[in-house]
Amino acid sequence: IAGITQAPTSQILAAGRRMTLRCTQDMRHNAMYWYRQDLGLGLRLIHYSNTAGTTGKGEVPDGYSVSRANTDDFPLTLASAVPSQTSVYFCASSELAGGPDTQYFGPGTRLTVL
Amino acid sequence: GQNIDQPTEMTATEGAIVQINCTYQTSGFNGLFWYQQHAGEAPTFLSYNVLDGLEEKGRFSSFLSRSKGYSYLLLKELQMKDSASYLCAGSDSNYQLIWGAGTKLIIKP
Repeated sequence: IAGITQAPTSQILAAGRRMTLRCTQDMRHNAMYWYRQDLGLGLRLIHYSNTAGTTGKGEVPDGYSVSRANTDDFPLTLASAVPSQTSVYFCASSELAGGPDTQYFGPGTRLTVL
Repeated sequence: GQNIDQPTEMTATEGAIVQINCTYQTSGFNGLFWYQQHAGEAPTFLSYNVLDGLEEKGRFSSFLSRSKGYSYLLLKELQMKDSASYLCAGSDSNYQLIWGAGTKLIIKP
């Protein structure tokens, strides 16, 4: 079944550790996104990529980095995790970049930083 | 600034109709999306409006008024499975989505 996969499903992490959240899509979509979702707040964009080889900063990029080496993969790295990064992280993709287009979401990664 | 406002929670009865409102302020505007999110799951697309008026899709309809910065999602013949959060998102001048915090809809038998 085509779609987006994320790994891990959940993770408990000690503060200061490095962590990479994985995201893979098989729909050949051009654009990919990383969001965090916290209780009482809307989804907030961390980083995005309009096409392989390019990335951009979203609303809350500090403490996170991304890469887009190919069309399918868009990993999110926390270089040194802090408790405020405890959240549910969603990866999403859309066929078009540079235009309003439906975003398709992965199942999410629940991250707890202690 | 950019902002999306929607009620935090609503309650409705199975079989009834409910309207979930959303007001938006975005820098530039390229349309309004509605997504559904069941607890513990990913958001899934429901509708997209860019022109004024009503878009009907089965039991769900979405309305947009660009002059008023206002949209609503109308759910008819409510079913228990419609219990979920409904997320309103505006597409800004850079085509980034600005998300509301979501409206939790509770359906009672």
